[in-house]
Amino acid sequence: QVQLVESGGGVVQPGGSLRLSCAASGFTFSTSGMHWVRQAPGKGLEWVGFIRYDGSTKYYAESVKGRFTISRDNSKNTLYLQMNSLRVEDTSVYYCVKGLLQELFVWGQGMLVTVSS
Amino acid sequence: SYELTQSPSVSVSPGQTASITCSGDDLGHKYVCWYQQKPGQSPLLVIYEDNKRPSGIPERFSGSISGNTATLTISGTQAMDEADFYCQAWDNASLVFGGGTKLTVL
Repeated sequence: QVQLVESGGGVVQPGGSLRLSCAASGFTFSTSGMHWVRQAPGKGLEWVGFIRYDGSTKYYAESVKGRFTISRDNSKNTLYLQMNSLRVEDTSVYYCVKGLLQELFVWGQGMLVTVSS
Repeated sequence: SYELTQSPSVSVSPGQTASITCSGDDLGHKYVCWYQQKPGQSPLLVIYEDNKRPSGIPERFSGSISGNTATLTISGTQAMDEADFYCQAWDNASLVFGGGTKLTVL
């Protein structure tokens, strides 16, 4: 079955960097679009960004544009989220999600990122 | 930026029909998805492309859209359906979620 397992989360100071990884299995990763979605504690869902199956097209939310970068390694079935210049308000559970451009079909279990001094 | 509006909460008695709405400009010309999130769990897609159910989603979940309002309907609501529900659409190179509706079954 489809599995998405995030890793790389933790505590980081404001202004710091962190890279999340998402290991995919159970489907053909190299032909699947992927999203990152986050959820601050006790809050609603917020889309972070999308990457096309071949990495040729990426979209980002305005709140992370210029600070976050989505990439993928299809040879390793892995999705990445590089987060730079982190802010306290970036504190969230980050979900890796398999989907089409407009639809989020399968979600990972999520990984907590805490930005705090 | 594009916005989707949901009521914060809806209550329903077991066995009754729950309706959760989502409104947004020109929503009738976009595809709408609905996600269910139970406490401590990841969200689950329950409706996509306005009214399609992924495999494994019970038939009591249905979606519809009229004008600028999309509706998620849960027929014969069960206690296990209690959760937060989010609508979602795509607009101008951005994926947008509604603020979420807490469904209480009491």
